[in-house]
Amino acid sequence: TQLLEQSPQFLSIQEGENLTVYCNSSSVFSSLQWYRQEPGEGPVLLVTVVTGGEVKKLKRLTFQFGDARKDSSLHITAAQPGDTGLYLCAGDDSGTYKYIFGTGTRLKVLA
Amino acid sequence: ETGVTQTPRHLVMGMTNKKSLKCEQHLGHNAMYWYKQSAKKPLELMFVYNFKEQTENNSVPSRFSPECPNSSHLFLHLHTLQPEDSALYLCASSHGGWRGGNVTDTQYFGPGTRLTVL
Repeated sequence: TQLLEQSPQFLSIQEGENLTVYCNSSSVFSSLQWYRQEPGEGPVLLVTVVTGGEVKKLKRLTFQFGDARKDSSLHITAAQPGDTGLYLCAGDDSGTYKYIFGTGTRLKVLA
Repeated sequence: ETGVTQTPRHLVMGMTNKKSLKCEQHLGHNAMYWYKQSAKKPLELMFVYNFKEQTENNSVPSRFSPECPNSSHLFLHLHTLQPEDSALYLCASSHGGWRGGNVTDTQYFGPGTRLTVL
């Protein structure tokens, strides 16, 4: 069974701090997505990473796909209260439509 | 309207009721999905449709019955549900098509239907 473990599970930080969220698996994925979900809403896509070792930047967010395409990280610089939410990673199993979602990291940024 | 829409946004039903959830996508996608999101659990894939054909049924109980009349619409028919079926039900769509090779296919989600079974 494919699993995506995210860590930490919960994170509460002060505005302006930096943080890193990890998404790890023993399986290889053809691509990996990061989403942010706010209460009562569906996940909103942040980024898709495809190539092993790929790094993508989205303003204060930096995403990295592991060289072996089994893991990924999300780094937020100078966190803001608007970054608060549930961060989900999702692995795309090449050749199928079975997307594997991670366990989630719930982030709270305090003003 | 753009993106993926879901109705109703909230639903309360008794265990003997029959109700349906509706999803519509305006992205020109060919694949549509139903997910269940419960507290403290990862998103669980329920069903996948690609070009209106069901390609995945992730061991979902028969009290959940999906229907995909065309590539833009997806329904989830509910009957004789249990209280443990209470959850956020999310619909998603993606480009779909043939998945050979390393073709990337990203999902876009609707806002979800919050279902409470009494």
